[in-house]
Amino acid sequence: GDSVTQTEGQVALSEEDFLTIHCNYSASGYPALFWYVQYPGEGPQFLFRASRDKEKGSSRGFEATYDKGTTSFHLRKASVQESDSAVYYCALGDLRQGGRALIFGTGTTVSVSP
Amino acid sequence: GPKVLQIPSHQIIDMGQMVTLNCDPVSNHLYFYWYKQILGQQMEFLVNFYNGKVMEKSKLFKDQFSVERPDGSYFTLKIQPTALEDSAVYFCASSLWGGKDTQYFGPGTRLLVL
Repeated sequence: GDSVTQTEGQVALSEEDFLTIHCNYSASGYPALFWYVQYPGEGPQFLFRASRDKEKGSSRGFEATYDKGTTSFHLRKASVQESDSAVYYCALGDLRQGGRALIFGTGTTVSVSP
Repeated sequence: GPKVLQIPSHQIIDMGQMVTLNCDPVSNHLYFYWYKQILGQQMEFLVNFYNGKVMEKSKLFKDQFSVERPDGSYFTLKIQPTALEDSAVYFCASSLWGGKDTQYFGPGTRLLVL
């Protein structure tokens, strides 16, 4: 079945460090990829999405490029701030199917120290 | 971004009782979803709903679970009877369309079954 793999479970950084979270997917249909961020006690917040090969999504300084060849959608940010501390989820949808469930990765907890 | 509301934010009930979780989705959205998140674990899909019908449900959506949205009011998840393993945070989401369209999440209802 379809799946999403996030390699990093936890990432500890200092402010102004570069952040990379790896996301790879396996899908049989027509994938759409999403990044969500979840702060403690809140629901996931949509960051951005992409649905075409080489399409780049971006928001709040975060970006990711959908690469069909490597089945990846890695999240990057050039200079993190303490306020970026949160759990980040990569999620997989399907272009074809109306209202299709999102398949979430296991999440990456990012901790940024001042 | 668009707001999804959930009522109540917390609920504590005894095992075997019935509980109803309420979701007020984004006003013009057509697709509605429930997800379950056990503390510290990833988000897992339960069910989606469109045009008055369940479209897809996961193995987690037990026979004791039901959903409805009577007359455009709250989108509800009812669990009857509850079990200890139902303790989790339940997130409602909605999207305008399906497929690649973005799902927006509420803040969650924290359910504790004693």
